[in-house]
Amino acid sequence: EVQLVESGGGLVQPGGSLRLSCAASGFTFSSYEMNWVRQAPGKGLEWVSYISSSGSTIYYADSVKGRFTISRDNAKNSLYLQMNSLRAEDTAVYYCARVGGELLSYFDYWGQGTLVTVSS
Amino acid sequence: EIVMTQSPATLSVSPGERATLSCRASQSVSSNLAWYQQKPGQAPRLLIYGASTRATGIPARFSGSGSGTEFTLTISSLQSEDFAVYYCQQYNNWPPSYSFGQGTKLEIK
Repeated sequence: EVQLVESGGGLVQPGGSLRLSCAASGFTFSSYEMNWVRQAPGKGLEWVSYISSSGSTIYYADSVKGRFTISRDNAKNSLYLQMNSLRAEDTAVYYCARVGGELLSYFDYWGQGTLVTVSS
Repeated sequence: EIVMTQSPATLSVSPGERATLSCRASQSVSSNLAWYQQKPGQAPRLLIYGASTRATGIPARFSGSGSGTEFTLTISSLQSEDFAVYYCQQYNNWPPSYSFGQGTKLEIK
């Protein structure tokens, strides 16, 4: 069974940092592209960042470029999101999501999410 | 950037009836369109990809159609568990970003 389990969320002050993790199991993690998607309270879905299966190709949404860093450790079956210079508007549930089809396509499995709250 | 627009924002339908949800892209995305269902407190779940292919385990009452800029998700006979928020997502304009519609809330009439 495919499982994605996020962790690392919490309350952080504006300007602070946080590192999210996503532990993958039930599939060959190193073969799949991965993403982070977020959802502000009561709002819709916003794609945040993408990483290829090898980690060699990375993309970011303009809203987080220069502040967030996506990475992965295929030996540990884990995906990460380092979030720096956090702002109130970064408050959201952060989901990790697996790309299910061909290159750069839809998301077939999602984790349950971890809540990040940026507030003083 | 491709903008995805869903309509209506809220749809009220009775159980057993048909629901039709729309998604429009600001430019052609070919058939690179997915639909997701999200219930309160849960992660999104993939329903449809490639505009019309049901994901694994999705009931046949869910169907998708369209190509280019106009897409439709149809639920043929609504069950109680179908009342949720539905999002469309394009994955054609890539890179630099995926884009989601703002969602349609399907509520019980």
